[in-house]
Amino acid sequence: GQQVMQIPQYQHVQEGEDFTTYCNSSTTLSNIQWYKQRPGGHPVFLIQLVKSGEVKKQKRLTFQFGEAKKNSSLHITATQTTDVGTYFCLLSNSGNEKLTFGTGTRLTIIP
Amino acid sequence: DAGITQSPRHKVTETGTPVTLRCHQTENHRYMYWYRQDPGHGLRLIHYSYGVKDTDKGEVSDGYSVSRSKTEDFLLTLESATSSQTSVYFCAISESRVIYGNQPQHFGDGTRLSIL
Repeated sequence: GQQVMQIPQYQHVQEGEDFTTYCNSSTTLSNIQWYKQRPGGHPVFLIQLVKSGEVKKQKRLTFQFGEAKKNSSLHITATQTTDVGTYFCLLSNSGNEKLTFGTGTRLTIIP
Repeated sequence: DAGITQSPRHKVTETGTPVTLRCHQTENHRYMYWYRQDPGHGLRLIHYSYGVKDTDKGEVSDGYSVSRSKTEDFLLTLESATSSQTSVYFCAISESRVIYGNQPQHFGDGTRLSIL
């Protein structure tokens, strides 16, 4: 089946530092979505990327889709305590329409 | 938040007993999904439904069955619960399959299931 590597698994940063999580697929994707799950909460949709090389921004968050549509990244500039949580990618395989979540990156902020 | 209610929110039961989890939506969305979430594994799809009485398996469907007799309700059943099925179960809904449009999945608050 599709292998979805999301790295790093954990990230501890000082408040104000930047943070990046990467999602890598072994197969070509039709699109990718990103979700955030606060501790004790449920995943909440952030954004969807569809086009090769696409870049989207939401305030301090920047999302990129790789040129080959096999990887994506989420970058947070100047982290704040409200950014705490686990960030997941959800991949849609272009070949078999399978939906697969990445294993997630858990972000903790040191005040 | 989307109108999704999962019940029960917490359940403790014994190995070998049947368990049914319910997901109820008020959004009239076509697609409904059941996931389990375990440390180190993220969210794994158990089953999903693309309409009334239309369901399909996900990547971890063994030991689980589902039913959807009405648009608003999607039931997940563990016929004979095992300790390996201890997990947090999330239901999600979407207007269409992700690949066909820009429709996100909306999640319920989850059910924490412990099987002793």
